[in-house]
Amino acid sequence: DVKVTQSSRYLVKRTGEKVFLECVQDMDHENMFWYRQDPGLGLRLIYFSYDVKMKEKGDIPEGYSVSREKKERFSLILESASTNQTSMYLCAILGDSNQPQHFGDGTRLSIL
Amino acid sequence: DQQVKQNSPSLSVQEGRISILNCDYTNSMFDYFLWYKKYPAEGPTFLISISSIKDKNEDGRFTVFLNKSAKHLSLHIVPSQPGDSAVYFCAASAFPNEKLTFGTGTRLTIIP
Repeated sequence: DVKVTQSSRYLVKRTGEKVFLECVQDMDHENMFWYRQDPGLGLRLIYFSYDVKMKEKGDIPEGYSVSREKKERFSLILESASTNQTSMYLCAILGDSNQPQHFGDGTRLSIL
Repeated sequence: DQQVKQNSPSLSVQEGRISILNCDYTNSMFDYFLWYKKYPAEGPTFLISISSIKDKNEDGRFTVFLNKSAKHLSLHIVPSQPGDSAVYFCAASAFPNEKLTFGTGTRLTIIP
């Protein structure tokens, strides 16, 4: 069974801080995704990665960056956190052909 | 521009009755559609999918219908159970292994 682990369930940070959200998978999946979920807006794709050191912008990349140095780990970075980045952040992996995206439990991030 | 729309933010259904959740899309390149279910403080979990070569897919109590000419899909849950109370997201992509575009979600409440 695929396991996607997000390092923190809840996180509180201050405006201007650099914030790291970590996502680790236990299988050898190439495709990893970061989404944020906000009421009334659904899930919006921030960044995704098809392989180590490869990254692609999603629909809302502004204010974020990512890092994928190892296949199993995909990090989302808020360079200078702002209050409008308060949200639920969800990491997902894409399994084998025709398997749907599988999500971690999410990190609820509050920026004060 | 919201390419996948769920026009009902919430829906209440009596236990044992049928729940029908609707989803519309605008991008004619979408060929693969999925439904996810999400409980609070958990990541979305995959429910059921359908590709454009079919107009119906069934899995137990869950059936997804696709009307490609109308760019509309729906999820039917019969009979509805209290554990079905959750937020439901539809999602779409051009190919099965591609990044997904999600709708805004519908909160389903099953009334005992």
